[in-house]
Amino acid sequence: AQSVAQPEDQVNVAEGNPLTVKCTYSVSGNPYLFWYVQYPNRGLQFLLKYITGDNLVKGSYGFEAEFNKSQTSFHLKKPSALVSDSALYFCAVRALTGGGNKLTFGTGTQLKVEL
Amino acid sequence: GAVVSQHPSWVICKSGTSVKIECRSLDFQATTMFWYRQFPKQSLMLMATSNEGSKATYEQGVEKDKFLINHASLTLSTLTVTSAHPEDSSFYICSARSGTGVNQPQHFGDGTRLSIL
Repeated sequence: AQSVAQPEDQVNVAEGNPLTVKCTYSVSGNPYLFWYVQYPNRGLQFLLKYITGDNLVKGSYGFEAEFNKSQTSFHLKKPSALVSDSALYFCAVRALTGGGNKLTFGTGTQLKVEL
Repeated sequence: GAVVSQHPSWVICKSGTSVKIECRSLDFQATTMFWYRQFPKQSLMLMATSNEGSKATYEQGVEKDKFLINHASLTLSTLTVTSAHPEDSSFYICSARSGTGVNQPQHFGDGTRLSIL
């Protein structure tokens, strides 16, 4: 069975500082990894994905994520955080084998960016 | 970009009534739609997966007679919560995907906040 771990319930960052939201995964077969963001009372918005190719993936709103196969991680990063980045972030993995081609989500990390 | 519209965004109703939630893909054909349930400060729990024209596949523990899913067209899926009770109160989110290729991300609706009195 596939799984995703987001070890931090909340991450606090000062505006202008770099941010990292951590994610590790477990799958059998090749992982297909995604990051989504959720604002209060809204659905999830797609940020970026890793399918194959470069380990550093760039996505929406200046976010990027680095795929590390040896550490089975896919941490979300942004060089300079904005207050408007404050939201709930979900990492997800999808595997064609063993996962039924369905997304499995982590428990989410609340990002709080303060002035 | 791909847009998924979910309606209504908020519904309050009495215990025992049935509630229908609609999910539409506005600018793409959704061969597969997903219904999730989200409890406060928790992750999304997949309830069921539906492919257009086929019966939905429910996850373990989800009552198919309680949560009726219809995916009659490539742009519309509905979730009907039958004989709703207070414990069914939750945030329900639909998601749609075009095709089964791994390159296809899922696009999400804005969710429906269901409150059963």
